[in-house]
Amino acid sequence: AQRVTQPEKLLSVFKGAPVELKCNYSYSGSPELFWYVQYSRQRLQLLLRHISRESIKGFTADLNKGETSFHLKKPFAQEEDSAMYYCALSRNTGTASKLTFGTGTRLQVTL
Amino acid sequence: GAVVSQHPSRVICKSGTSVKIECRSLDFQATTMFWYRQFPKQSLMLMATSNEGSKATYEQGVEKDKFLINHASLTLSTLTVTSAHPEDSSFYICSASVGGRSYNEQFFGPGTRLTVL
Repeated sequence: AQRVTQPEKLLSVFKGAPVELKCNYSYSGSPELFWYVQYSRQRLQLLLRHISRESIKGFTADLNKGETSFHLKKPFAQEEDSAMYYCALSRNTGTASKLTFGTGTRLQVTL
Repeated sequence: GAVVSQHPSRVICKSGTSVKIECRSLDFQATTMFWYRQFPKQSLMLMATSNEGSKATYEQGVEKDKFLINHASLTLSTLTVTSAHPEDSSFYICSASVGGRSYNEQFFGPGTRLTVL
């Protein structure tokens, strides 16, 4: 069975400090991994996906199959980065592509 | 673009009654819609997947007769919580995507908070 683990419920950093939100997964197939973000009073939205290998809002995430990890990183945290971050794994079932979410990490950026 | 709406945003009902939640894709046609449930301070748990014109596929442990899903058109899916009880109180979130087998981005609704008294 697939599983996504985010070990930290809360990560508090100072503005300008580096950020790393941890995500580990277990999946027997070829994983497709994503980071979703939920800002205060807003809906869940896609931040980035590993296939794209892009940087969004300064965030990057590299899929490490050896360590089964997909940690989200940003070199310098900004106040507006404060939000709930969910790591998710996509599994294809033949009829649809379903997401399994981690429990989420709340990032709090303080001055 | 790619906006998904849910109605109502909040609903309070008495135990034993049924509640219907609507999920609409406003500016695109959604081949697939998903229903999630989120308990306080917990993750989103997928309840079921629905494709337009076909029966929903429920995840293990989700009662089909309890949570009725209808995906009548490419822009509308409904979740009906039948004979609701206090333990059904939760935050219900839908998402919609275009396409099926290969991954396509899911666009999420704002959620519906259900409180059963």
